[in-house]
Amino acid sequence: DVKVTQSSRYLVKRTGEKVFLECVQDMDHENMFWYRQDPGLGLRLIYFSYDVKMKEKGDIPEGYSVSREKKERFSLILESASTNQTSMYLCASSISPTVYEQYFGPGTRLTVT
Amino acid sequence: AQRVTQPEKLLSVFKGAPVELKCNYSYSGSPELFWYVQYSRQRLQLLLRHISRESIKGFTADLNKGETSFHLKKPFAQEEDSAMYYCALSGRSNYQLIWGAGTKLIIKP
Repeated sequence: DVKVTQSSRYLVKRTGEKVFLECVQDMDHENMFWYRQDPGLGLRLIYFSYDVKMKEKGDIPEGYSVSREKKERFSLILESASTNQTSMYLCASSISPTVYEQYFGPGTRLTVT
Repeated sequence: AQRVTQPEKLLSVFKGAPVELKCNYSYSGSPELFWYVQYSRQRLQLLLRHISRESIKGFTADLNKGETSFHLKKPFAQEEDSAMYYCALSGRSNYQLIWGAGTKLIIKP
């Protein structure tokens, strides 16, 4: 089974802090994704990566950055956390560019106070 | 523009009743469509994809290109079907999925 893990299940941070969310997949998947999940808005893509050191902006990249130094690890960085970034963050991976099925991590519930 | 619309935020039906979760899409071309499900306190997971044409947990979904719909159906709802359901469309580029806003399904005993 594909395993996608996220570093924290719950996280509470203060406004202005730099926040790191880590995601690791163990199946040698090429593509990795970061989403925000908010009620009534569904999943919104923040960033994705299709290879090591490669990244592309999704629909809502403002206030976020990402890092993919190794194939199995994809990090989401909130440069200066704000209260409107309070959300559930989901990481996902998929095998290759032509396979659209995505495997999700358990999510990180981030609260910014 | 590519878009997925799930018109119902919440759907509540009684156990044993038929269920239909609606999904409409906007896409020029031949789309690939998916239903994902998230049970309480579990991770989001693929339920079914239209090209497989299979039934999973009693659910089926047929792609209707004329009506640009991909509704999810089950003839007899069970309490364990209560979950959040998302319809998704494979976009034309960049390996992305385009997601609907989701429908919360509640099965009443």
